Amino acid sequence: DAKTTQPPSMDCAEGRAANLPCNHSTISGNEYVYWYRQIHSQGPQYIIHGLKNNETNEMASLIITEDRKSSTLILPHATLRDTAVYYCIVTSAAGSYQLTFGKGTKLSVIP
Amino acid sequence: EPEVTQTPSHQVTQMGQEVILRCVPISNHLYFYWYRQILGQKVEFLVSFYNNEISEKSEIFDDQFSVERPDGSNFTLKIRSTKLEDSAMYFCASIPKGRPYEQYFGPGTRLTVT
Repeated sequence: DAKTTQPPSMDCAEGRAANLPCNHSTISGNEYVYWYRQIHSQGPQYIIHGLKNNETNEMASLIITEDRKSSTLILPHATLRDTAVYYCIVTSAAGSYQLTFGKGTKLSVIP
Repeated sequence: EPEVTQTPSHQVTQMGQEVILRCVPISNHLYFYWYRQILGQKVEFLVSFYNNEISEKSEIFDDQFSVERPDGSNFTLKIRSTKLEDSAMYFCASIPKGRPYEQYFGPGTRLTVT
């Protein structure tokens, strides 16, 4: 699996957009970008995933660069409940789909 | 919305004892997983289970660990002889049919080995 690089921490003002970057320069053609988050010791929660195109769901948007070497997760209107560790994971859509978590980005949403 | 459930929420055991951690995945999910997270560290994959057998396992999942799906609903992780370093949060997860990218995690069991 390709490795990812994320900043260890970020702050965001409540109500503003949170933009979380991820570098995955060694991603291969059949690997997807997944984003999960973990709110204080709870089980990780799926947010969104993508291959090449930008994606949006009710939780977030995922912007993937054309060369696929980096991506950005966007929480459009961050709330205090979005304070969590956000994990960018790159893995192929094959095998047993296990996830390899890194250290992620600790997002703190500030009132 | 259906949820993955895990019991107990907290288990305290003495070193050398056997423990069984229990999970009820979401009905009709196909793949099942165990992960662990030592306090302050990364979430680590232990094992995946599909079609009633282990699909993949990590180096952590040695002979002291075993998994079972005894009755089609429960999914268990057994540690035969616990060590202090087994103290961690253990998360169960499952994948719905047709959506392999979306793992649903349980709330975890905190295992404390004394």
